[in-house]
Amino acid sequence: EIVLTQSPGTLSLSPGERATVSCRASQSVSSSHLAWYQQKPGQAPRLLIYDASSRATGIPDRFSGSGSGTDFTLTISRLEPEDFAVYYCQQHGSAQYTFGQGTKLEIK
Amino acid sequence: EVQLGESGGGLVQPGRSLRLSCAASGFTFDDYAMHWVRQAPGKGLEWVSGITWNSDTIIYADSVKGRFTISRDNAKNSLYLQMNSLRAEDTAFYYCARRPRSGWYFDYWGQGTLVTVSS
Repeated sequence: EIVLTQSPGTLSLSPGERATVSCRASQSVSSSHLAWYQQKPGQAPRLLIYDASSRATGIPDRFSGSGSGTDFTLTISRLEPEDFAVYYCQQHGSAQYTFGQGTKLEIK
Repeated sequence: EVQLGESGGGLVQPGRSLRLSCAASGFTFDDYAMHWVRQAPGKGLEWVSGITWNSDTIIYADSVKGRFTISRDNAKNSLYLQMNSLRAEDTAFYYCARRPRSGWYFDYWGQGTLVTVSS
């Protein structure tokens, strides 16, 4: 099973700042099998990024994804108040899906 | 508008069974693989099981293999999860999620149903 490790666990930033979340895989992951989700309290996860760098429908362009192999990154260029949430990476490989443990983005 | 609605959650004793349902609307249900993902209260996401559009491929997480059974009824636009031999660690919100035919991610999620396993 491929393990995804996100860092940091918690990120404290102010609106307008840039956020960077890392997702490291225990084995190489195909870029087309890496996605990012946002989850707010009491809500279901929402797809942000798929295929490592493609934005999902309706996702603002301040969200971007990059990376390959074992290292992937989610970047939010200028934080808006509604961006403070928990973010998860997810991969598919060998007929299994795994998620990272999550990164909480909180207001500083 | 794509909508997924889970039902069937509740309080159940350890060792007992429960069946979850997910009603789909707003898209052609039998064009998509469907999955279950769960989240223990205050914890992260854990993929549980998936089924292809025609049920020819079914996969499970090791943590539920042999105890849970996923199925679907395309005529009823519905997805199911039969959960047997429930354990305290199965306590979670259970979400159904849609997987696009060309992707390995989940593009739409339901709002979840809570399963609590406790005596």
